Amino acid sequence: GAVVSQHPSRVICKSGTSVKIECRSLDFQATTMFWYRQFPKQSLMLMATSNEGSKATYEQGVEKDKFLINHASLTLSTLTVTSAHPEDSSFYICSAGGQGWPEKLFFGSGTQLSVL
Amino acid sequence: QKEVEQDPGPLSVPEGAIVSLNCTYSNSAFQYFMWYRQYSRKGPELLMYTYSSGNKEDGRFTAQVDKSSKYISLFIRDSQPSDSATYLCAMSATEYGNKLVFGAGTILRVKS
Repeated sequence: GAVVSQHPSRVICKSGTSVKIECRSLDFQATTMFWYRQFPKQSLMLMATSNEGSKATYEQGVEKDKFLINHASLTLSTLTVTSAHPEDSSFYICSAGGQGWPEKLFFGSGTQLSVL
Repeated sequence: QKEVEQDPGPLSVPEGAIVSLNCTYSNSAFQYFMWYRQYSRKGPELLMYTYSSGNKEDGRFTAQVDKSSKYISLFIRDSQPSDSATYLCAMSATEYGNKLVFGAGTILRVKS
């Protein structure tokens, strides 16, 4: 089946630094990519939706300047957590959608971010 | 009140048991109802989805949707230790751009 690769799987950083997370669709063109965060024992919460070549649409309460999303090609989207703080520590997951929803919506393996 | 409610468990059952997982929701606009399986520190994978009300069966898995009660279920027959995972329900509506709203997930443990 289709594969979505998310990298890195785990990152530890110091408070105030920026962290970039990549999400790649390996064998299909992803017209839409989604970014979620997940706290322990809680739901995946949608942060933003991005379409290739256009600005991301952020969910209410998500800071655009803090969580920068770039979807420059049909196979790559990046999430940059700028000036990270301990409260940004979470599990971040991307998903990529191709033609045929919802069967063609695949999730990455997630990135565990720990901010010290 | 959360849009989608799901008991986080954990639910522990012996191998071979029938497992019932459930979610309730409040938004009557939801049309698509999905069940995802998520292993520890991995992304969710789609198990089944149903459009509107009714039942759907796939092997040992059966999904049911009761829109009148705003209640959905996933049944797993002859459960196996390999079924041990977190099961997430998710819902969406066309009018919301098909964005998924997830339940918290139920941790299932199948003991051999």
